[in-house]
Amino acid sequence: GIQVEQSPPDLILQEGANSTLRCNFSDSVNNLQWFHQNPWGQLINLFYIPSGTKQNGRLSATTVATERYSLLYISSSQTTDSGVYFCAVEPGTGNQFYFGTGTSLTVIP
Amino acid sequence: DVKVTQSSRYLVKRTGEKVFLECVQDMDHENMFWYRQDPGLGLRLIYFSYDVKMKEKGDIPEGYSVSREKKERFSLILESASTNQTSMYLCASSLGGGVHEQYFGPGTRLTVT
Repeated sequence: GIQVEQSPPDLILQEGANSTLRCNFSDSVNNLQWFHQNPWGQLINLFYIPSGTKQNGRLSATTVATERYSLLYISSSQTTDSGVYFCAVEPGTGNQFYFGTGTSLTVIP
Repeated sequence: DVKVTQSSRYLVKRTGEKVFLECVQDMDHENMFWYRQDPGLGLRLIYFSYDVKMKEKGDIPEGYSVSREKKERFSLILESASTNQTSMYLCASSLGGGVHEQYFGPGTRLTVT
């Protein structure tokens, strides 16, 4: 099946810093989502972004489907950004999402 | 807003018990999914359903079954719980018809002793 790799696995930031999280995938995809899992386990939708660039406040995402990667940018990080960020992809041949193992982000005041 | 609810946040069961995990969505979504999440393994798909009474196996269906009698409700059943089924269980739904954005419930943390 398709492989989804996220980097870095762990990230510690000072409040106010910027960061870039990366998601690489091994095959063509129809759909891609970014999620934030908060400390209580809830997965929150950030972006549904099979291609192109989207922005939502301090967060933005870019997917380059032809090169098989997506990037999540977090600017001016806040302590509430802490948690695990997951990338999930739906392959071109198939109808289910496959998740990466996540990037664990800790923002310290 | 899409709302996906799960019947319990925390559940403790004994080995061999039959366990039911319930998931309800309120947005008339066609597709529903059950995942389990374990440290270092990310989320893995157990079963999914495209319609009432329809089900498809995901990557790790062994030891589980599902039921979808009504469009809004998708149940995960552990016929005889075992300790290796201790995990976080997450339900999700998506609209269907080519729109596959998934929305997740809050999760059920199941411990089997």
